[in-house]
Amino acid sequence: QQQVKQSPQSLIVQKGGISIINCAYENTAFDYFPWYQQFPGKGPALLIAIRPDVSEKKEGRFTISFNKSAKQFSLHIMDSQPGDSATYFCAARYTGKLIFGQGTTLQVKP
Amino acid sequence: KAGVTQTPRYLIKTRGQQVTLSCSPISGHRSVSWYQQTPGQGLQFLFEYFSETQRNKGNFPGRFSGRQFSNSRSEMNVSTLELGDSALYLCASSLDAGQGYEQYFGPGTRLTVT
Repeated sequence: QQQVKQSPQSLIVQKGGISIINCAYENTAFDYFPWYQQFPGKGPALLIAIRPDVSEKKEGRFTISFNKSAKQFSLHIMDSQPGDSATYFCAARYTGKLIFGQGTTLQVKP
Repeated sequence: KAGVTQTPRYLIKTRGQQVTLSCSPISGHRSVSWYQQTPGQGLQFLFEYFSETQRNKGNFPGRFSGRQFSNSRSEMNVSTLELGDSALYLCASSLDAGQGYEQYFGPGTRLTVT
């Protein structure tokens, strides 16, 4: 099964709050899990990525938590800002190709 | 370093026509992948090219084809366009093929089929 299931579909967070987006997968052959951020009219931009031998990776306000046994990974955005308002995609790589989640539209209210 | 560039940015075509989209990867990147993005299906992998060879192919009909040139630039072609081909076509480049290399996306070509 090569699907990646992403939730929630949309998310509204107050400025300064924590945004959490979750993804789940079935295929244990996935070897790389990136998160992309996409603004309207732009292509997806690589935000942060993790490999399955690591349980957590932090870059600035963005953290990926990875649970290999549960086949789940999540993106945490700390101190969310209005400029973070965008669509976020999780993805998993299999044989070199990325399988994307359906996306989460995040709105951060001032 | 310049990012991935795609041309044209917008395109309007009629059903039955064909279209060619172009992608120039980041300088030094040798692998190019193509994705289709639609509101209904999300982001779907089309194909990947490395060293002028197709390494991977997604589940799209044969009307979708691509190629890569010796300078790593890539083109994708869609023949006999259908209304359902209206989408944002994204190109992504990576330093090399296979595991361990991040993919960086271009801004996309917005194709509208009427």
